[in-house]
Formats: sequence, structure tokens, C-alpha cells
Amino acid sequence: GAGVSQSPSNKVTEKGKDVELRCDPISGHTALYWYRQSLGQGLEFLIYFQGNSAPDKSGLPSDRFSAERTGGSVSTLTIQRTQQEDSAVYLCASSLYSLAEQYFGPGTRLTVT
Amino acid sequence: QKEVEQNSGPLSVPEGAIASLNCTYSDRGSQSFFWYRQYSGKSPELIMSIYSNGDKEDGRFTAQLNKASQYVSLLIRDSQPSDSATYLCAVNRNSGNTPLVFGKGTRLSVIA
Repeated sequence: GAGVSQSPSNKVTEKGKDVELRCDPISGHTALYWYRQSLGQGLEFLIYFQGNSAPDKSGLPSDRFSAERTGGSVSTLTIQRTQQEDSAVYLCASSLYSLAEQYFGPGTRLTVT
Repeated sequence: QKEVEQNSGPLSVPEGAIASLNCTYSDRGSQSFFWYRQYSGKSPELIMSIYSNGDKEDGRFTAQLNKASQYVSLLIRDSQPSDSATYLCAVNRNSGNTPLVFGKGTRLSVIA
């Protein structure tokens, strides 16, 4: 079946602009996660959605970052007033339930100039 | 103590040898353990999951779990240059919010 998809694959934006990154999870997966990975670094957890529960936003680095998940499926990560330190690969993952193995999308490479 | 610890490497092994990748974790109540492979410029790919003490084999890969020692390892037999990648260990949290905690990964280089 189809895996996790993300769009766009690459995004170049100017400092101060807002960006939206999209994630389409595997059909039927109730949990969805956003991570950030800077060059040569490990995965940094950002936010986690499980079903209809309130999302766990504990990893968001600042209030410029927000995410929503509509209809329990597609999720959008929004970064307002982008800064150069936001440049990274943003990875989305989904899992059948919260403790199950996570499957990753191909990522969105964000470059802030 | 970090929740999930891995040696960053690089771990260099000759082609055909056994590569041994290790991971320790701090949450004694953890129940689910995963190994991911990440090629440079790509996203992590799940290669093994293990839930019970002992060994679990899948092709050239063997995951080993010792909950008493809070230790999980991945063995790659007959290592190939195509196995060169960063290997991430992930462990579920028994408490708290985020379900999985990832280690920073061990970089493996298989030399032809």
C-alpha cells in the first residue's frame, strides 16, 4: 500500500516568511508525528497526534511553530516568520497506534535564506 | 543519563564481517524496541522490531534484547557495502507523552 507522503519535497523561503509543510499518513494509522533533523544530527521530536486526543506539543521549539491534523488524517506543520535556524529536514511519521512502529515519509528539506 | 544511548561511531567493518550495533536505554518499563536504518539524505526505514528478551532473526539481521541489562543490539551478518548507513535505536516510553525515543544513531561503514 501507499506509504507516508510529504509535500513539498524541497522548500526554499526567505527569512521572515511563513511556510506550510504537509503530511499524508498511511491510511488507517491513528498516530502521526513530526520530527526535525538538522544536518548530521539526530531526530528532534516536534509534535504528536493520537486519534482525537489533544496533540502533544511538548517538542515545538517556539510559538512560531504549530501543527494541525484535519479529520484524523492529513497534517500540516506551519512555521511562521521563518528564521535561518529553522533550516532542516522535517520528517513526518505515522503508526497504527501510539506504541506501534513508526513509518517515515521522505521528508521536506526546508532552507531559509 | 540520556534515555537512549548509542555510540555515534563511525563503526568500520570489512565486507563479509559481522557488524554489532549497541543501544542502552534508561526506562526500565520500556516494552517495544526498534531499529531503523537511515541512508545519507534519506528518511529512517524500519528494519527490526523486538518486544521479548532474547534474539529475533530476519535474514542477515538479528536483534537481541536484554531487559534486565536495559540493552538492545543489532547484528548484521555478512556485512555488505550497501549496509553502510546510520542505524537508529528507538525505545518506547513507559510513561510520559512521546511514545518513542530515538537514539542519535551509530554510523556504520562497511569497507569493500
